[in-house]
Amino acid sequence: DAMVIQNPRYQVTQFGKPVTLSCSQTLNHNVMYWYQQKSSQAPKLLFHYYDKDFNNEADTPDNFQSRRPNTSFCFLDIRSPGLGDAAMYLCATSPRAGLAEQYFGPGTRLTVT
Amino acid sequence: GQQVMQIPQYQHVQEGEDFTTYCNSSTTLSNIQWYKQRPGGHPVFLIQLVKSGEVKKQKRLTFQFGEAKKNSSLHITATQTTDVGTYFCAGVGANNLFFGTGTRLTVIP
Repeated sequence: DAMVIQNPRYQVTQFGKPVTLSCSQTLNHNVMYWYQQKSSQAPKLLFHYYDKDFNNEADTPDNFQSRRPNTSFCFLDIRSPGLGDAAMYLCATSPRAGLAEQYFGPGTRLTVT
Repeated sequence: GQQVMQIPQYQHVQEGEDFTTYCNSSTTLSNIQWYKQRPGGHPVFLIQLVKSGEVKKQKRLTFQFGEAKKNSSLHITATQTTDVGTYFCAGVGANNLFFGTGTRLTVIP
C-alpha cells in the first residue's frame, strides 16, 4: 500500500546531541512537509519541499534543518536539541501545494534528556 | 499572520448526543480542510470545502463553509465512541495549511 513512513517511531536523544528523523513516501508526491506537534497543540509547520525547492517558515529556528535527496525521502535534522524540542514530529506529503489534501505519517516522538 | 481559532477547545458528550466544532479565521480563506487525529495517532484528512456556503455530508458528519469564507463548522450527529479524537480545521494558504487550534472530543459510553 502507498504510504508515508517515518523512522524511528520513538527517538531519545541527549541535550545538544544532533539527531536526524527520516520520512519516506511511496505516493510519489511532489510536496513533503515537516510539522512539530506538542501535546494538546495543533501541528506547527516547520518547512516544506516543493520538489527540490525548500521553503522555510519564518519562525522555524535555525536549529532545524531539512534535506530531501530524492522524491521519496526527506530528513529532519536537529543540530542541537534542547528540552523544548521534545515533541511529535510529523511528516506529510501532498501531490501538489495548496488545494490538495495532506497525507501524514505516523510521526516520530522525540524525547530530549 | 493568519490565525485560525476553533471552539470549543474540549467537548465531552454522552454517546448518542450531537457535537459541533466551530472554526474561525482572521482572514478570508480560499478553501478549508478538516482533519481528525485519534489519541496517539496522526491527522487524517476528512474533507475539503471550496465554495462559499458549501455544505458537505459524510454519513453522520456535516461540514459547512461560511458565506464569507472566514468560518466553518463540523457537526456530528449521534456521536459514537469511535468519534473520539481531536478535530482540526485547516485554512489553505498558497503552499501550506494553517491548522486551527483543534477541538478534542470525548465520548462517554
